[in-house]
Amino acid sequence: KAGVTQTPRYLIKTRGQQVTLSCSPISGHRSVSWYQQTPGQGLQFLFEYFSETQRNKGNFPGRFSGRQFSNSRSEMNVSTLELGDSALYLCASSLSPGLAGAGDTQYFGPGTRLTVL
Amino acid sequence: KNQVEQSPQSLIILEGKNCTLQCNYTVSPFSNLRWYKQDTGRGPVSLTIMTFSENTKSNGRYTATLDADTKQSSLHITASQLSDSASYICVVSEGGYQKVTFGIGTKLQVIP
Repeated sequence: KAGVTQTPRYLIKTRGQQVTLSCSPISGHRSVSWYQQTPGQGLQFLFEYFSETQRNKGNFPGRFSGRQFSNSRSEMNVSTLELGDSALYLCASSLSPGLAGAGDTQYFGPGTRLTVL
Repeated sequence: KNQVEQSPQSLIILEGKNCTLQCNYTVSPFSNLRWYKQDTGRGPVSLTIMTFSENTKSNGRYTATLDADTKQSSLHITASQLSDSASYICVVSEGGYQKVTFGIGTKLQVIP
């Protein structure tokens, strides 16, 4: 069974540009969550999608948005990039929604390393 | 504000030795606590998940403990191996699964 895949793996952009990251969950998983990881802040929750609906959102500005398609694949978009957006963006999938679902494990992808110059 | 603090920030141990990583949290109401292992350049992998009623959970050489009264958890690694070199992240979920709080992680290096 294939794991969570994320594309692209690496990305370099300049300030002011926008970027779209893609995540394909494990087959059969309908919940997809996005996280930002930086050395100073650690992992921070961006948002969670289940059945094409955003169920939960972290404390990030509106420049960060996402969506989920009917096949459970998800995209994350960041507009008007800032230097501080440089980070590893991780996607995780699980069978059911809710980050606190007891016994339901989240499976993470390898991440997309975004560098903003 | 809900917080998860992990200690130490980094740790170097000799192969074959045991070690214990700590996680203290202030998240309330508590739902569950997870430990993840993250190898360099890869996404985190779940090691254990514990709910309020569980005190101990093992996964091979990894044993997690939880004291919900003192809001402390520990991850004990037995007979460390070079492949244990990674960051270990503690994650606490708030009741109602509306929020999760991540620790910054402990970076473990196992040397021969």
